[in-house]
Parts: sequence; C-alpha cells; structure tokens
Amino acid sequence: SQTIHQWPATLVQPVGSPLSLECTVEGTSNPNLYWYRQAAGRGLQLLFYSVGIGQISSEVPQNLSASRPQDRQFILSSKKLLLSDSGFYLCAWSSGFGGADTEAFFGQGTRLTVV
Amino acid sequence: SQQGEEDPQALSIQEGENATMNCSYKTSINNLQWYRQNSGRGLVHLILIRSNEREKHSGRLRVTLDTSKKSSSLLITASRAADTASYFCATEHRGSTLGRLYFGRGTQLTVWP
Repeated sequence: SQTIHQWPATLVQPVGSPLSLECTVEGTSNPNLYWYRQAAGRGLQLLFYSVGIGQISSEVPQNLSASRPQDRQFILSSKKLLLSDSGFYLCAWSSGFGGADTEAFFGQGTRLTVV
Repeated sequence: SQQGEEDPQALSIQEGENATMNCSYKTSINNLQWYRQNSGRGLVHLILIRSNEREKHSGRLRVTLDTSKKSSSLLITASRAADTASYFCATEHRGSTLGRLYFGRGTQLTVWP
C-alpha cells in the first residue's frame, strides 16, 4: 500500500535561518507531488507541485523553493526564513497515471514557527 | 479567487443530528472532492463526485453536486462526536493541471456528545 512520510512534525526556527522539510512517498511510482501551506483557520494554499523528477512549478511568489531529487522525494527549502513563513505545511501526492478524477493523499503536516 | 467557499464556517450540533455543509465554486470543474482534517493533522479524502454526477453516497456521507449553480453539499447523517473535524471541499478545474486542487477555507464541525 502507498504511504507518505513528512517530517519533522514540528519545527521552531529563528528568523534568517535555513529550512528543509522532507516528504517521501512509498508504494507508488511517478506520483504528482504537492506542497501546501495552511494558515490558522484558513484553507490550503498550493505552493509547489511536481509531475516528475526535477520538474517544479511554483504557484505563488515567495521565500521558499522546492526540489524533487528523486521520484518519490519532495523537499521544501528556504535560505532565510521570515516570520511570515510560519504556518502548517502539508505534503501530498496523487497518481501520475490516473488522469482526471484522482484523489490526493496527505502527509501529517509540519507545524513551522519562525521566531 | 479560484477557491471553493464552504458555508457555514462553523457548525455545532448534537450527536445523532445530521450535519450539512455547502460549497460553492466559480469555474467549470472535472470533479469536486471533500476532505476531512482533524486538528493539527493532514487531510483525509472522503469522497469524489464527478461533474456528470449529481449525487453520491459513502456510508453516512451523502454528496450532491449542482453544476448549474456551481455548488455542492456534504451531508453527514447520524453524526458522532468522532465526526468533529474541519471539512474542506476541493475542485479540480477543467483545463487546469490534472490533480491540481483548489481548496476552500473549510467548515469546522463540532459534534457534542
């Protein structure tokens, strides 16, 4: 069966420090991968998505970047965190072969607090 | 905004009652999906309804879709305290990247025992 792992669960980082959040998927190949951010009491904002290794699309301009060094690995990074980067970050995957009408599977999220 | 919008923002009911949440969206869609999120956790997929479907059932869940009104509803029958969570609708837009979902802000459901 497919599983998605996202870590760490919580993170407190000082302003100006770097960030690296990792997400890996098991049990499937060539997944579409997504990074979302969720502000308190708000919906999910799509930050990045990837349809293959090295293929990253950014939805909104921001202080963050994403990379996909392997088929089932998706990394969210920042060189220098801002206070506004605080939030709940969710990684997700969906089938890359399913065409339309595919559901997304989410990791458990990372609560990032920039202080 | 291309996001769906859920209504109400918050809903509080007693166990055994039915809970109805609504979602409106603005563009043509391939499908509409409902997800559940327990506090501080990831989202879990509940049900997907395609644009050519009008109603779908899964256990205690009933989803309707009215593409002429660009709206959907999620009904949870005989609610339980364990149903307490946030519920989000998400749409896959026609012509958009396949798998790219647009989420609403969610309805916070509280079910009192």
